[in-house]
Amino acid sequence: EIVLTQSPGTLSLSPGERVTLSCRASQPISNDYLAWYQQKPGQAPRVLIYGASGRATGIPDRFGASGSGTDFTLTISRLEPEDFAVYYCQQYGTSPCSFGLGTKLEIK
Amino acid sequence: QVLLVESGGGVVQPGGSLRLSCAASGFTFNSYGMHWVRQSPGKGLEWVAFIKYDATKTKHADSAQGRFTISRDNSKGTLYLEMKSLRGQDTGVYFCAKDAWKLGAIPSYFDSWGQGALVTVSS
Repeated sequence: EIVLTQSPGTLSLSPGERVTLSCRASQPISNDYLAWYQQKPGQAPRVLIYGASGRATGIPDRFGASGSGTDFTLTISRLEPEDFAVYYCQQYGTSPCSFGLGTKLEIK
Repeated sequence: QVLLVESGGGVVQPGGSLRLSCAASGFTFNSYGMHWVRQSPGKGLEWVAFIKYDATKTKHADSAQGRFTISRDNSKGTLYLEMKSLRGQDTGVYFCAKDAWKLGAIPSYFDSWGQGALVTVSS
């Protein structure tokens, strides 16, 4: 199973700031099949990014992502109050699919 | 719009059984693979099982193999997860999730999620 390591575990930031989250895979992800999800307390996750850099339907363009092979990033260009949540990466290039442990964005 | 509604969660003793259901609407159910994903209290996400759109193929996580069975009834637009020999580590919220790929033969990512069903395994 591919292990995804997300860093940092927690980030304390202020609205308006730019942030980059990291997701590193234990082996190359086939076809760069990597997705990012946002989860708020008491809610289901919501897909933000698929295929490493494709923005899902309805996702604001302040969310961007890039990467290939084993190193991937999610960038939020300017944090809005509603962006403070937990972010997970998921690889679906190799079965079984797997998730990282998440990065929590909290308000400073 | 896509709507996934889980039911069947509850409290069960270790070694017990439970069946979760997920009623789907708002999309062509028989054209998409479906998944179960769980989240233990305060923890991250863990994929549990996948079923192909036509139910001809299933995959289960190692932690679920031999104890959990995913199935679907396309005539009813409903996904199921039969869980047996439940353990304390199986406690968590179980989400049903729609696969993103239409008529996909293999699992991909999850583009819609239900609100989750809480399963508590405790004596």
